[in-house]
Amino acid sequence: GAGVSQTPSNKVTEKGKYVELRCDPISGHTALYWYRQSLGQGPEFLIYFQGTGAADDSGLPNDRFFAVRPEGSVSTLKIQRTERGDSAVYLCASSLTFRGTENTEAFFGQGTRLTVV
Amino acid sequence: AQSVAQPEDQVNVAEGNPLTVKCTYSVSGNPYLFWYVQYPNRGLQFLLKYITGDNLVKGSYGFEAEFNKSQTSFHLKKPSALVSDSALYFCAVRDRKAGSYQLTFGKGTKLSVIP
Repeated sequence: GAGVSQTPSNKVTEKGKYVELRCDPISGHTALYWYRQSLGQGPEFLIYFQGTGAADDSGLPNDRFFAVRPEGSVSTLKIQRTERGDSAVYLCASSLTFRGTENTEAFFGQGTRLTVV
Repeated sequence: AQSVAQPEDQVNVAEGNPLTVKCTYSVSGNPYLFWYVQYPNRGLQFLLKYITGDNLVKGSYGFEAEFNKSQTSFHLKKPSALVSDSALYFCAVRDRKAGSYQLTFGKGTKLSVIP
């Protein structure tokens, strides 16, 4: 597609429920990132995929958070046993990143606003 | 560890006046530096980046930024502000170290351009 697409745009869930957030990156982009943006803050890194594998998941806050990218394109961020503190905008980005192009910029989707009530 | 500081939560400037949004960074090695803009209910949009070479980089919508290694700064500038420039601006840094792709963002600066 023309840009990074994220669905749903808004999600309201009850505390303790499971949620999945989807990201469809720009076609041909091998790198995919998930960030979380809380109110009044800049985006915080969660996880980075190069192809199908998670190359860096050091930003995932705990084991309730998990992400997959089984075919190297679409990615799903999964949150188990949601808590009110998980409420934030979850941003996905993609870029052309392989050896020699580490300086390429990331293109962001519009985000999914998650509200846990 | 890498970090970014945007010391001003908000910057107000009159339309037609020059604007500056400040950013300082900390990174163990040499940095890649980026500016992004966020309009209400929109995703982050890339403005410009510093990779190497000239310290003054030019980007989208007439914006430019100056890399200053000694002051570890990367301030965003525009010679003449437009009302449509009003938005939230984020500075970000990435370490040049191979295999490091994690962007660290500042908290953002809200720019208001007053007609």
